[in-house]
Amino acid sequence: DGGITQSPKYLFRKEGQNVTLSCEQNLNHDAMYWYRQDPGQGLRLIYYSQIVNDFQKGDIAEGYSVSREKKESFPLTVTSAQKNPTAFYLCASSEEGDNGYTFGSGTRLTVV
Amino acid sequence: GDSVTQMEGPVTLSEEAFLTINCTYTATGYPSLFWYVQYPGEGLQLLLKATKADDKGSNKGFEATYRKETTSFHLEKGSVQVSDSAVYFCALSTPGNTGGFKTIFGAGTRLFVKA
Repeated sequence: DGGITQSPKYLFRKEGQNVTLSCEQNLNHDAMYWYRQDPGQGLRLIYYSQIVNDFQKGDIAEGYSVSREKKESFPLTVTSAQKNPTAFYLCASSEEGDNGYTFGSGTRLTVV
Repeated sequence: GDSVTQMEGPVTLSEEAFLTINCTYTATGYPSLFWYVQYPGEGLQLLLKATKADDKGSNKGFEATYRKETTSFHLEKGSVQVSDSAVYFCALSTPGNTGGFKTIFGAGTRLFVKA
């Protein structure tokens, strides 16, 4: 079955450490996205990529970095510069056109 | 700028009750409109969509009509079940500045359905 796989589901890190969240899709979608969700809040866009080897900052890119070396993969690195990294992170993809997103099941990151 | 406003939750209903979750939007041009559902600990799933005025999106007993005159896209279901308990997000999509489309999500409305 086609879909988006995010791993791991739960991640614990010490303050000051960088951490990379994985996102892989087998839907052959060109566009991929990273969102952050905090309790009781909506989704905020971190980064997005419309094509391999190209990506754009979203609304809250500070303290995050991404790469898009392959169409299938869009990993997100949460750096030590992110002041409040504890959150639920969602990866999504979309095909060409305006047909909505397919989301992964999310990674819950806790920094202690 | 473009925005989406949803009714605040939580919404608590008894099983078989009628559901309405209000959603209004502000956008330049003619956005596409979506409803997504998020079950506990999961990502969002696309529930339904409408791409132009007066279109009705429907899925799994849920429906919403794109009302351009009132800039609304209210979600309705005639008879809710306990399994419908989740958070519902309204969203709009418009052409982005760098190509592709930009999606804006509402804050979400939590629904609790009691047996």
